[in-house]
Amino acid sequence: ELKVEQNPLFLSMQEGKNYTIYCNYSTTSDRLYWYRQDPGKSLESLFVLLSNGAVKQEGRLMASLDTKARLSTLHITAAVHDLSATYFCAVTGTASKLTFGTGTRLQVTL
Amino acid sequence: GAVVSQHPSWVICKSGTSVKIECRSLDFQATTMFWYRQFPKQSLMLMATSNEGSKATYEQGVEKDKFLINHASLTLSTLTVTSAHPEDSSFYICSARDPTGTSGVNSYEQYFGPGTRLTVT
Repeated sequence: ELKVEQNPLFLSMQEGKNYTIYCNYSTTSDRLYWYRQDPGKSLESLFVLLSNGAVKQEGRLMASLDTKARLSTLHITAAVHDLSATYFCAVTGTASKLTFGTGTRLQVTL
Repeated sequence: GAVVSQHPSWVICKSGTSVKIECRSLDFQATTMFWYRQFPKQSLMLMATSNEGSKATYEQGVEKDKFLINHASLTLSTLTVTSAHPEDSSFYICSARDPTGTSGVNSYEQYFGPGTRLTVT
């Protein structure tokens, strides 16, 4: 059974500082996704990582994938309040079904 | 492109009644749709996979007679919660996928709807 774990579960960030969220998964997968969810809303797609060593960046967020370690990281550079949300990683398993991580709630404070 | 809608966005129903939620892909053909449930402060859990023209595949622990799924066309899937109880109150999110890639969207992406908040009183 595919398991996906994220840590930390909650992260209080100071504006302007850098932070990293980790996503570990238990079995081989060919795709890893990062999503953002604002309170009461659905998911917003951030990144899809398709291969070992893949790195993608958008604004202050950068995601990377190490398939050998079954690890993805989401790095936040110079946090700003607008980044406050819950972030999920998700991994494809059999039949392209997505298994979601536990989620990391980010809160940016001044 | 790749817009998925859900209707209604929120619904309140009485215990014992049934409620239907629609999921539509507006600008692409979705041969596969997925239904997820999310309880407060928890992650998304896949309930079932819906393939156009065939029976849905349910995840372990999801009652297929309680959560009826119909995927009658390439742009519409419905989830009917039958005999709803307060413990069914949740945020239901659908996603749509075109694994063929022929309708102009990425074949490996799932495109998520805005969600439906169900409250059973």
